[in-house]
Amino acid sequence: AQSVTQLGSHVSVSEGALVLLRCNYSSSVPPYLFWYVQYPNQGLQLLLKYTSAATLVKGINGFEAEFKKSETSFHLTKPSAHMSDAAEYFCAVSEPNYKLSFGAGTTVTVRA
Amino acid sequence: GAGVSQTPSNKVTEKGKYVELRCDPISGHTALYWYRQSLGQGPEFLIYFQGTGAADDSGLPNDRFFAVRPEGSVSTLKIQRTERGDSAMYLCASSLSQGAGELFFGEGSRLTVL
Repeated sequence: AQSVTQLGSHVSVSEGALVLLRCNYSSSVPPYLFWYVQYPNQGLQLLLKYTSAATLVKGINGFEAEFKKSETSFHLTKPSAHMSDAAEYFCAVSEPNYKLSFGAGTTVTVRA
Repeated sequence: GAGVSQTPSNKVTEKGKYVELRCDPISGHTALYWYRQSLGQGPEFLIYFQGTGAADDSGLPNDRFFAVRPEGSVSTLKIQRTERGDSAMYLCASSLSQGAGELFFGEGSRLTVL
């Protein structure tokens, strides 16, 4: 069985500061890993995905994530937060079939 | 539009009523998924279609929930005898193929059961 744990349900950062969202996964096989973002009253949008190529994955809006097998982690970072980054972020894992398992989500607040 | 379309965007119903939620996937996407998202939680898998057939319905919570995709495109999620606990956002997603293909999500149908 596969699962995802997101550490911290809420993260508050100052504009211009580093954004770090933590995600740990469990999977019995090499996983595919995803980060999705959800803005208020909108559907989920893919930020980036890891599918066993480069361990450092770059996504949209300046976000990136690093796959660390030894730590079973896939943390999401952005060097400098922008007000528009305020949203809810979901980490998800998929074994090589089709079913995504999502974490509980982390809400990001950006302070001016 | 080019994205996944879900209707209605909001549905308020009374306990015990029947509800249908519709999903129109991106044209050409053979895989279609339904997820349910309760407040403060991540989306939970309900059912997956590959073409017209339900390849995996293991996430449907009970036999009050049913989904169809008769022509391999539009899908309808049907909920009978709704209960207050069914209140949630129901998300539909589609993808070109299974596996590592990106899922494209609709904006969801918010169901409120009074």
